[in-house]
Amino acid sequence: GQQVMQIPQYQHVQEGEDFTTYCNSSTTLSNIQWYKQRPGGHPVFLIQLVKSGEVKKQKRLTFQFGEAKKNSSLHITATQTTDVGTYFCAPSTGANNLFFGTGTRLTVIP
Amino acid sequence: DSGVTQTPKHLITATGQRVTLRCSPRSGDLSVYWYQQSLDQGLQFLIQYYNGEERAKGNILERFSAQQFPDLHSELNLSSLELGDSALYFCASSVGAVGNYGYTFGSGTRLTVV
Repeated sequence: GQQVMQIPQYQHVQEGEDFTTYCNSSTTLSNIQWYKQRPGGHPVFLIQLVKSGEVKKQKRLTFQFGEAKKNSSLHITATQTTDVGTYFCAPSTGANNLFFGTGTRLTVIP
Repeated sequence: DSGVTQTPKHLITATGQRVTLRCSPRSGDLSVYWYQQSLDQGLQFLIQYYNGEERAKGNILERFSAQQFPDLHSELNLSSLELGDSALYFCASSVGAVGNYGYTFGSGTRLTVV
């Protein structure tokens, strides 16, 4: 698999605070996907980023792909309890997004 | 309902036994992927099938095997089970051989080996 580090492993935030998770690769990526897994649930596809420097928004979620296409981030503004879960990145070097990052588990304290 | 169906939802079996997990992909999807998720762990890619043929292999143990049938459903066979095989096994599907539009996951099969 690819050498991908996802940080932090865990994050506890107060409701209303912002949250960011990072996915860093040692190699240049062709694209990266992000997934969310709620507690007790299955991973759900959120988005795919393809272009260098790409920024995409989904309501309070902002996804970025680095200029060098080696890192990506997911930022949540003003977290809510519904944001609780584990966020995974799934990078690709061209073939497929088979190998997922280690995930960041987000806990939101009401 | 994601459209990917996995059965059974729960399975409890003894060490040394053999089990079969089943997955029906979302309608129209030709690729099936199998993932293993141990307690509080990430998603470990096992194997991918595309239109009946093995397409990619991950860290799948020799005791594990899979296949995809002509109707596109897939089965994951786990044999000589060990306690460490206890995990959540997810199946995912995508339209093509490459998941350009993301993978659709099923609800998983929770396997407990006792």
